[in-house]
Amino acid sequence: NAGVTQTPKFQVLKTGQSMTLQCAQDMNHEYMSWYRQDPGMGLRLIHYSVGAGITDQGEVPNGYNVSRSTTEDFPLRLLSAAPSQTSVYFCASSRGSRGSGNIQYFGAGTRLSVL
Amino acid sequence: GQQLNQSPQSMFIQEGEDVSMNCTSSSIFNTWLWYKQDPGEGPVLLIALYKAGELTSNGRLTAQFGITRKDSFLNISASIPSDVGIYFCAGQLRTGTASKLTFGTGTRLQVTL
Repeated sequence: NAGVTQTPKFQVLKTGQSMTLQCAQDMNHEYMSWYRQDPGMGLRLIHYSVGAGITDQGEVPNGYNVSRSTTEDFPLRLLSAAPSQTSVYFCASSRGSRGSGNIQYFGAGTRLSVL
Repeated sequence: GQQLNQSPQSMFIQEGEDVSMNCTSSSIFNTWLWYKQDPGEGPVLLIALYKAGELTSNGRLTAQFGITRKDSFLNISASIPSDVGIYFCAGQLRTGTASKLTFGTGTRLQVTL
């Protein structure tokens, strides 16, 4: 069972470079989200999607773009990387709706360093 | 933004001891979740709570959804070395969607033999 798959696991960028963090889930979940995790700050929501073609901003969206063309994939794009975007990025998905559908399943993370 | 206060920030206990940690919020949640994160991995769900006052167990873990809907606690009984990791609480606001969880800052647990 693959669950939520994130690639790459590690990435080093120079300031100003662009890149896309990939996220795919094979559970047919409607909801997908991107979080960043920084020391002492827990996980903060960047962007989320409630279904294909629908995205919205989370708590810290600046500097990131997302799109959701399929149910399975939810890529996160950094258009011009900055050192402040050095972090660990997690993708998550959930079935949606109420009750147990709220449970989010996380990928293993992408560790990004911007020099 | 929404704040979730999680305490303690870290714990250093001996194997066999019981552990207790909690989260408090300034807002009401309709769902509380507790996750554990091992080094180099993503968070893994431990327990989910859906009703005020609900008490749920998962093996040696017990969590409760506070009656005010603004807090939750997690207890681990008879800790073992593999309990080491970071524990996160997460809450969903009433007006939020399933994707909008707010996370606490985590409790780092270290267990000695």
